[in-house]
Formats: sequence, C-alpha cells, structure tokens
Amino acid sequence: EAGVVQSPRYKIIEKKQPVAFWCNPISGHNTLYWYRQNLGQGPELLIRYENEEAVDDSQLPKDRFSAERLKGVDSTLKIQPAELGDSAVYLCASSFGAGGPGDTQYFGPGTRLTVL
Amino acid sequence: GIQVEQSPPDLILQEGANSTLRCNFSDSVNNLQWFHQNPWGQLINLFYIPSGTKQNGRLSATTVATERYSLLYISSSQTTDSGVYFCARGGAGSYQLTFGKGTKLSVIP
Repeated sequence: EAGVVQSPRYKIIEKKQPVAFWCNPISGHNTLYWYRQNLGQGPELLIRYENEEAVDDSQLPKDRFSAERLKGVDSTLKIQPAELGDSAVYLCASSFGAGGPGDTQYFGPGTRLTVL
Repeated sequence: GIQVEQSPPDLILQEGANSTLRCNFSDSVNNLQWFHQNPWGQLINLFYIPSGTKQNGRLSATTVATERYSLLYISSSQTTDSGVYFCARGGAGSYQLTFGKGTKLSVIP
C-alpha cells in the first residue's frame, strides 16, 4: 500500500514569489492534515480536512496561505506571497477517521521550503 | 495554552544502552501519541497511549494521566533508533494534536 505522497520534496524560492505543495493521501483516508514544522520544533497543524471540508483552519495564516481539497482526495497548499519566515518543512498527513483518540495519522515525507 | 514539554532535549547513547524519554503535559489528555522522526524527516507513529502501558518490541510506553506525564522506554538501542522522538497530545473534544519540541536521540556504534 502506498503511503502519503508529497511533492515537491524541496523548493527554493525568492521572497514574494508564490509556491504550491501537493499531497496525495493514503487511499480511503477521509481526513487530511497540513502541518508546518520549523527547525527544532514539533509539527504545528495548519489545516484539517474531513473529506473536502476544511473543519479546522484556525492556525492557517489566511492572508497569504490557502488550501483546497477537491473531490476529497488530493490537496494543495499555497503560499502567496512567500516571506522569509515561511521557510520550514510542510508535512501532509492522513487518517481513516476524523483524527480523534486512537486514530493514527500517517505522515508524508514533507516538502522543505527555503525562502531567500 | 496547552503545553507539551519533553526531556531531555538531546540524548547520546552507546549502541546497546537503554533510555527513558519523558513527556509532561499541562492539561488533561484523551489522546497521547509518541512519534519517531528519522534523520530523513519521515514521521512514524509509535504508540497511541492516553493511559496505561504498551510494548512493541524494544520500545514501550507508559502514560500516567492523573500525574500528566508519559514515558517512552527504548531498550538495547540500535543506530536505527536515531532521530527525534515527539510526544503529541489531544485534549477532550479536540481533534488537534499539540506536539512537543522533541528529544533528539543519537545512537553511536
């Protein structure tokens, strides 16, 4: 069974440029998560989808970040325009259930973003 | 806010040694998980353990919810155990996991 797929694995951009990350969750997983992990820190949730509905986006900086999950499968996270402080690893995860107790989250390999 | 504190921040072990990693959390928990992030960045779920004790091979975990801490034990460590170990908690009624800063483990031959 394929795991969570993310692309690209690495991205280097100039500040003020746009960037997009793509995630394909494990087949059959209804819930999809985007996390940001800064250097030396644990992951922080940006947004959680149940099927195609964003049910928790309180941590998403909505002035420059946007996300979509069309048809409840693949998801795209976009930053426009990127700032220096956006340099981080962006992790996608998926789970079969809604993410409550006992619901294991499976993580992708991440996209390492460097903003120059 | 909700706090998850892990200790020690860094740990260096000789191969074959045992270790204990600690996670303290500031509020009640109904969802406590341990993860391992390998040196290439892949994050793997190790345990879901809101209370009690679980074992999986050389790894075991214990959570004492009433005292708000969890422990991860690694026995007979191997170089492949290297990486960062994260504790993450979710509160009652919340689907959001809050991660600690992790313990970076280096196992040397």
